[in-house]
Amino acid sequence: AQSVTQLDSQVPVFEEAPVELRCNYSSSVSVYLFWYVQYPNQGLQLLLKYLSGSTLVKGINGFEAEFNKSQTSFHLRKPSVHISDTAEYFCAVSGTSYDKVIFGPGTSLSVIP
Amino acid sequence: DAGVIQSPRHEVTEMGQEVTLRCKPISGHNSLFWYRQTMMRGLELLIYFNNNVPIDDSGMPEDRFSAKMPNASFSTLKIQPSEPRDSAVYFCAGFSGANVLTFGAGSRLTVL
Repeated sequence: AQSVTQLDSQVPVFEEAPVELRCNYSSSVSVYLFWYVQYPNQGLQLLLKYLSGSTLVKGINGFEAEFNKSQTSFHLRKPSVHISDTAEYFCAVSGTSYDKVIFGPGTSLSVIP
Repeated sequence: DAGVIQSPRHEVTEMGQEVTLRCKPISGHNSLFWYRQTMMRGLELLIYFNNNVPIDDSGMPEDRFSAKMPNASFSTLKIQPSEPRDSAVYFCAGFSGANVLTFGAGSRLTVL
């Protein structure tokens, strides 16, 4: 069975500072990895995904993530955050193509002016 | 493509009443997922369908919950009887291509 851990439940960061949101997963098979963002009172939107190939994945809004198989991690980074990045961020994993997607508990990112 | 459409967006009901949540998935894709989101438990996968067949319902909390997908364009999640602890936001999601899971806007359920 797959599972996802997001160690930081809340991350406050000043505007224009860099941020890293941590994600670790466990799985006995090859995985697909995702980061989703949820703005207040909305559904989840895909930020980026890793299916195969380059371990550095670039997504929307200037976010990127790096897949590290040996550390079973998929941390999300942004070099300079904006107020509009304030949201809940979810890391997710699935085992195969079009398989069920399991989400982590989420990290609340608060950008401070 | 109108995306995943859920109804109702908000539902307030009294304990013991039946609740039915509806979902119209993205056409052309055969997988559909129901998730529940609460502050305490985060985002939980309740059940998912593939080709209208339930593949994994291990996340359904108890017998009060049931889900159906009578055809590729419609699914329901029913709670009977409802309880206050069922209060949550329920999301429906489907694949929109290339392993991208697209979510509906959610149905916020409040059971008094």
